Amino acid sequence: DAGVIQSPRHEVTEMGQEVTLRCKPISGHDYLFWYRQTMMRGLELLIYFNNNVPIDDSGMPEDRFSAKMPNASFSTLKIQPSEPRDSAVYFCASSPTGSSEQYFGPGTRLTVT
Amino acid sequence: GENVEQHPSTLSVQEGDSAVIKCTYSDSASNYFPWYKQELGKRPQLIIDIRSNVGEKKDQRIAVTLNKTAKHFSLHITETQPEDSAVYFCAASMNSGGYQKVTFGTGTKLQVIP
Repeated sequence: DAGVIQSPRHEVTEMGQEVTLRCKPISGHDYLFWYRQTMMRGLELLIYFNNNVPIDDSGMPEDRFSAKMPNASFSTLKIQPSEPRDSAVYFCASSPTGSSEQYFGPGTRLTVT
Repeated sequence: GENVEQHPSTLSVQEGDSAVIKCTYSDSASNYFPWYKQELGKRPQLIIDIRSNVGEKKDQRIAVTLNKTAKHFSLHITETQPEDSAVYFCAASMNSGGYQKVTFGTGTKLQVIP
């Protein structure tokens, strides 16, 4: 298995633009997580899905952020409109039912100018 | 909700010395404590974990200890090597609606000086 796949790896965009981050979890994993990593706040859980259903989105900063999981092999995190303070590394992770270990993707480094 | 504090935020040690990273958690319902290592520019990866029914676990040069009463847990790295340089995250996890909800600490940047 190739592991969790994220795209793009780097994204530079201007303030106000829409940004879409993509994730493909490991096949067979029922849980999918979106994290944001910054120097100031560390690793923050934004949202997680179980069997494609959003379970807990209490970490989503505000209405500008939205996440979807249309099927078991694909999820998106969208920021619209983007702001400079959204600059961070966004990680997607997946986990199989019954396991506590999370498998992280390589991350997307987002820079909003 | 759970709150995990991690100290120190940065740590420099000479190669061959030991390194200790300490974490505390707030919710006694937490029962699983993983440690992740994140090398520069790479993804976090699980290196060791401990469950609440165990007080200590060792894997070669790394060990974790857990004090449930005090809600403390620690990572110990002995005979440090330059490749141990990374950011280490502790985490506390509890069952929440059938899922192990994980709360991460803020990370410790470990630098091993050759």
